[in-house]
Amino acid sequence: AQKVTQAQTEISVVEKEDVTLDCVYETRDTTYYLFWYKQPPSGELVFLIRRNSFDEQNEISGRYSWNFQKSTSSFNFTITASQVVDSAVYFCALKAGNNRKLIWGLGTSLAVNP
Amino acid sequence: EPEVTQTPSHQVTQMGQEVILRCVPISNHLYFYWYRQILGQKVEFLVSFYNNEISEKSEIFDDQFSVERPDGSNFTLKIRSTKLEDSAMYFCASSGGTGWGDTQYFGPGTRLTVL
Repeated sequence: AQKVTQAQTEISVVEKEDVTLDCVYETRDTTYYLFWYKQPPSGELVFLIRRNSFDEQNEISGRYSWNFQKSTSSFNFTITASQVVDSAVYFCALKAGNNRKLIWGLGTSLAVNP
Repeated sequence: EPEVTQTPSHQVTQMGQEVILRCVPISNHLYFYWYRQILGQKVEFLVSFYNNEISEKSEIFDDQFSVERPDGSNFTLKIRSTKLEDSAMYFCASSGGTGWGDTQYFGPGTRLTVL
């Protein structure tokens, strides 16, 4: 079975704090892709990153960084020096097997307070 | 930057009525998708579409649902007889088709309210 678990339902931080959003996935496929999307209060889904199962290098993009660890089936997302504009729901998603559907976690609602 | 667009942004309908949700995918993309998100819940896959036919569909996508690409730019989702439980945000997405792991880019969504 394929599954994505985001155990943190809601996180609240004060601006400038670092915050890590956890994502644990399950799949028996050896080839798969992981994604993070941001859903701000306006409701759209904004693509943040894609990672394939053969590339375990961590990635940094500005204040965002991602830590992919196959040994623990995790793909965690860290926001450094959080800002109020980071307030959103963040979804982790998995694509595995010979299909194109994304399997989504429940999302983590992040509130960054001034 | 190219983006997926969806109309209307909000649709209110009576139970039993037919609705058509419209999407314009990114112009050079080959795969199109519909997902839905019931308020406060996870995003769920409905259907994928390629080369003018459905390539995959979920259990949710029953006979009440259909998709169509009526011309070279639009991609539509039709719900024939809406139910209260169809109330949700419906997202259209498209991907380039460069590989099965390609990124899906989403439109802003259509909020469907069934009364």
